[in-house]
Amino acid sequence: DAGVTQSPTHLIKTRGQQVTLRCSPKSGHDTVSWYQQALGQGPQFIFQYYEEEERQRGNFPDRFSGHQFPNYSSELNVNALLLGDSALYLCASGQVPTDTQYFGPGTRLTVL
Amino acid sequence: AQSVTQLGSHVSVSEGALVLLRCNYSSSVPPYLFWYVQYPNQGLQLLLKYTTGATLVKGINGFEAEFKKSETSFHLTKPSAHMSDAAEYFCAVSDTGTGFQKLVFGTGTRLLVSP
Repeated sequence: DAGVTQSPTHLIKTRGQQVTLRCSPKSGHDTVSWYQQALGQGPQFIFQYYEEEERQRGNFPDRFSGHQFPNYSSELNVNALLLGDSALYLCASGQVPTDTQYFGPGTRLTVL
Repeated sequence: AQSVTQLGSHVSVSEGALVLLRCNYSSSVPPYLFWYVQYPNQGLQLLLKYTTGATLVKGINGFEAEFKKSETSFHLTKPSAHMSDAAEYFCAVSDTGTGFQKLVFGTGTRLLVSP
């Protein structure tokens, strides 16, 4: 049983560019959440998707957007990249109504 | 708003010694509490969780934590440290256990284990 998978593993972009990160949830899971983890910090909640709709959103600007597909996989898009967007981006999946989220290995984004 | 405070960004123990990682939370509603572990260049792995019921919670790899409402604490312990326990540990709180969780994490504690 595959766990949460994310692609790519690493990514290097320059300021002003746009990036798309991808996540496939654990089998049987129907919610996907995205977190940003800056170096030396704890993860910060970006948003959560369920039934292809954004259900909750953290304190992140509109440059951060997402999508959930009918197969429950998800994308995180970040426009107009800033140096401060450099971080590990974690995807977590869960199953309504259970109380546990399972995290993927993350995508390391570096903005130069 | 919910928040988590983890006391000590680094904790050093000797192999075989007691591990104690501290976590205090703030929540206006009954909290759901979690401990996650992160090994270098990896994602987060759930160690244990408290939702309702018994306040002493046992997790994987010999870890346990006790929910103390009066102290707003959820400290993580392990009786005897192993070299493989060296990692970053995160405490997190959520206001719901329905699956629509927004986890609020602490800043983490790095556990160092010496031989």
